[in-house]
Amino acid sequence: EAGVTQFPSHSVIEKGQTVTLRCDPISGHDNLYWYRRVMGKEIKFLLHFVKESKQDESGMPNNRFLAERTGGTYSTLKVQPAELEDSGVYFCASSRDISYNEQFFGPGTRLTVL
Amino acid sequence: DQQVKQNSPSLSVQEGRISILNCDYTNSMFDYFLWYKKYPAEGPTFLISISSIKDKNEVGRFTVFLNKSAKHLSLHIVPSQPGDSAVYFCAASVAGANSKLTFGKGITLSVRP
Repeated sequence: EAGVTQFPSHSVIEKGQTVTLRCDPISGHDNLYWYRRVMGKEIKFLLHFVKESKQDESGMPNNRFLAERTGGTYSTLKVQPAELEDSGVYFCASSRDISYNEQFFGPGTRLTVL
Repeated sequence: DQQVKQNSPSLSVQEGRISILNCDYTNSMFDYFLWYKKYPAEGPTFLISISSIKDKNEVGRFTVFLNKSAKHLSLHIVPSQPGDSAVYFCAASVAGANSKLTFGKGITLSVRP
């Protein structure tokens, strides 16, 4: 069974540019999560999809961040326009159900905004 | 306000000895706790979990203890092996809710051969 995959693995952009991160969850996993880890700090929740619906987006920092999950399969997270403080590692995770909460994480996308 | 705290940033132990990683939480609503292990340039990997209805869960060399009254949990690794060297994250959630995980900052464990 393939794990959670994320693309790209690294992205370096200038302040003000747009970046789109992609996550492919494990097949059959209805739940998809985005998290972010800023250097040296804890991993923080951004949002949660159940299939194509946003269940909780309370962790999204501001309206420069837009997440979608068309068709309930892969998800994208767009940052537009990017700011310096958006730098960090963005993790995607998926789970089959929320009963026991064992989420499987992808390798992350390291975003650097210059 | 950090709801899950891992106050020790690092721990170094000798191979074969016990590693004890500690975690404290403040939110009484948390009822499910997990430990994740993370190697550089990889995502966190699920290690072991415990529900608040239990006080101990053991899987192989890994045991998690939960003390609800103290809002404290710990991960014991016995015996420690060099391959256990990684960053360990404690995480908590409210089971059955939206299930988002709240993480601590992580502890870097180094196991010396």
